[in-house]
Amino acid sequence: GAGVSQTPSNKVTEKGKYVELRCDPISGHTALYWYRQSLGQGPEFLIYFQGTGAADDSGLPNDRFFAVRPEGSVSTLKIQRTERGDSAVYLCASSLSGRGYNEQFFGPGTRLTVL
Amino acid sequence: AQSVTQLDSHVSVSEGTPVLLRCNYSSSYSPSLFWYVQHPNKGLQLLLKYTSAATLVKGINGFEAEFKKSETSFHLTKPSAHMSDAAEYFCVVSDSDSNDYKLSFGAGTTVTVRA
Repeated sequence: GAGVSQTPSNKVTEKGKYVELRCDPISGHTALYWYRQSLGQGPEFLIYFQGTGAADDSGLPNDRFFAVRPEGSVSTLKIQRTERGDSAVYLCASSLSGRGYNEQFFGPGTRLTVL
Repeated sequence: AQSVTQLDSHVSVSEGTPVLLRCNYSSSYSPSLFWYVQHPNKGLQLLLKYTSAATLVKGINGFEAEFKKSETSFHLTKPSAHMSDAAEYFCVVSDSDSNDYKLSFGAGTTVTVRA
């Protein structure tokens, strides 16, 4: 079956612009996560959705970051007024449910470069 | 709260020799522990996971890890390295007993394999 997909694979934008990153999880997975991986580091948690609602957005760095999952499937991570420090690989993952022992399946990521 | 420390940022081995990647964890609850591998320009792939069953866990591609509660360790090993094992490896922890779904990643260990 299809895995987690993310589009675009690469995004180059200018400082101050708005970007949207899309994640299509594995069919039937109710839990969806966004992580950010900066160069040379491990991924860091951003936000978790259970169904349509954001159950935990404590990892979002500031109010320029926002994510939605309106129908409980595809999710979009939105970044306003991008800054050079936002440059990173943004990873999406999904799992059957939001329990710690469930395997999270990761997409290939979107590499965001802010010039 | 949970965290992991990967004790080596870089490991270099010769093809056919054993590989050891060290990881120590900290967790307030009974931990779930994972090892993920990330090949260049590829998504994160689960190698193996521990979720309070057998302490010796076997994963894909000949890897295994042993959960040692007394040492708070979860080291990853492989008896004989292959060129295709060259990649970035992440030790990851989450709390099984809580509703904490967040994965906490270590900083990663880069493995190079010499012919």
